[in-house]
Amino acid sequence: KQEVTQIPAALSVPEGENLVLNCSFTDSAIYNLQWFRQDPGKGLTSLLLIQSSQREQTSGRLNASLDKSSGRSTLYIAASQPGDSATYLCAALGADMRFGAGTRLTVKP
Amino acid sequence: ETGVTQSPTHLIKTRGQQVTLRCSSQSGHNTVSWYQQALGQGPQFIFQYYREEENGRGNFPPRFSGLQFPNYSSELNVNALELDDSALYLCASSLPGVRGSEQFFGPGTRLTVL
Repeated sequence: KQEVTQIPAALSVPEGENLVLNCSFTDSAIYNLQWFRQDPGKGLTSLLLIQSSQREQTSGRLNASLDKSSGRSTLYIAASQPGDSATYLCAALGADMRFGAGTRLTVKP
Repeated sequence: ETGVTQSPTHLIKTRGQQVTLRCSSQSGHNTVSWYQQALGQGPQFIFQYYREEENGRGNFPPRFSGLQFPNYSSELNVNALELDDSALYLCASSLPGVRGSEQFFGPGTRLTVL
């Protein structure tokens, strides 16, 4: 059974800092890994999708990596801004989509 | 291109009642998945519909049921509501027949069971 874990559960950083969010999964038999952003009480916004055959994906200030052999993915956010404050969720798609509990990020001005 | 929409946005019910939530998939997507997200947790997979047939189910009891219509919109029905059913219910659509394709989520329906 796939289990997805995200560390840390919460993170507070000053504006401008670069940061890394971590995601680990127990079953490497996945089709892809997807990172989402969720604002309070809202739905999920897809940030990056990494197919199982890929190692990383980049979009603007975001970079996500995938290491299937070690069961890890990271989301790197460069030059963080207060508008980046949200909960970030990773999800591994295998037989079904399994989510981590998320990292709640606060970027202070 | 129209995104995933869900209705209603908020709903309050009492224990034992039944509820129906609705989802319209993104244009061109014929696969719809439903998720339950309790406060402070990640979403949990309920089930998926593909071409009007259930195509996978998570660890949810039979009182959670669904439908998909020919236009690919979908309903989630929950019978005999319990307090623990209070959550944000999310639906997501994805490209037809493409395993591993990106899922696009709607804004969710917030269900409160009193």
